Amino acid sequence: DVKVTQSSRYLVKRTGEKVFLECVQDMDHENMFWYRQDPGLGLRLIYFSYDVKMKEKGDIPEGYSVSREKKERFSLILESASTNQTSMYLCASSLFGYEQYFGPGTRLTVT
Amino acid sequence: QKEVEQNSGPLSVPEGAIASLNCTYSDRGSQSFFWYRQYSGKSPELIMFIYSNGDKEDGRFTAQLNKASQYVSLLIRDSQPSDSATYLCAVPGVSNFNKFYFGSGTKLNVKP
Repeated sequence: DVKVTQSSRYLVKRTGEKVFLECVQDMDHENMFWYRQDPGLGLRLIYFSYDVKMKEKGDIPEGYSVSREKKERFSLILESASTNQTSMYLCASSLFGYEQYFGPGTRLTVT
Repeated sequence: QKEVEQNSGPLSVPEGAIASLNCTYSDRGSQSFFWYRQYSGKSPELIMFIYSNGDKEDGRFTAQLNKASQYVSLLIRDSQPSDSATYLCAVPGVSNFNKFYFGSGTKLNVKP
């Protein structure tokens, strides 16, 4: 079974803090993705990576950066957290062109 | 126009009935289509996918694809209260297969 894990299920941070969200997959997938999900807005792609050290911007990259130093690990960084980044963050991984498998999600609250 | 569109619902059906969920997509070149189920507070999980025109059955679930009309449907037979969830349709991009376009999801309520 594909397993995608995320470092935290719930996270509370203060405005202006630097936040790291980590994602690890154990199926040797090339592709990894970060989404955020908000009521009424659906899933929105922040960044994705199709190889180590490679990244591409998704639909809403502003305020975020990513890092992929190893194939199995993809990190999302909020350089200076703001209240409008309060959301559910979902990591996913896939083989090229195949279905995406999601981690359990991190519910981030920025106060 | 959004790449993938779904009726947000909620769609309410009685237990034992057939639930029909629909999804339309804008890019005629799309080749594959995925259905995900998402329970409240949980992450999406893959139910099934379809590549070819026609029907694909997996247990109580049937995916139907009509490329000429650019829609894909998910039928759930003998609906159970445990099927109550939001169902997301996803379509890979034509120019980049790795990038999925997700619909906003249809919320299904199955009443006992």
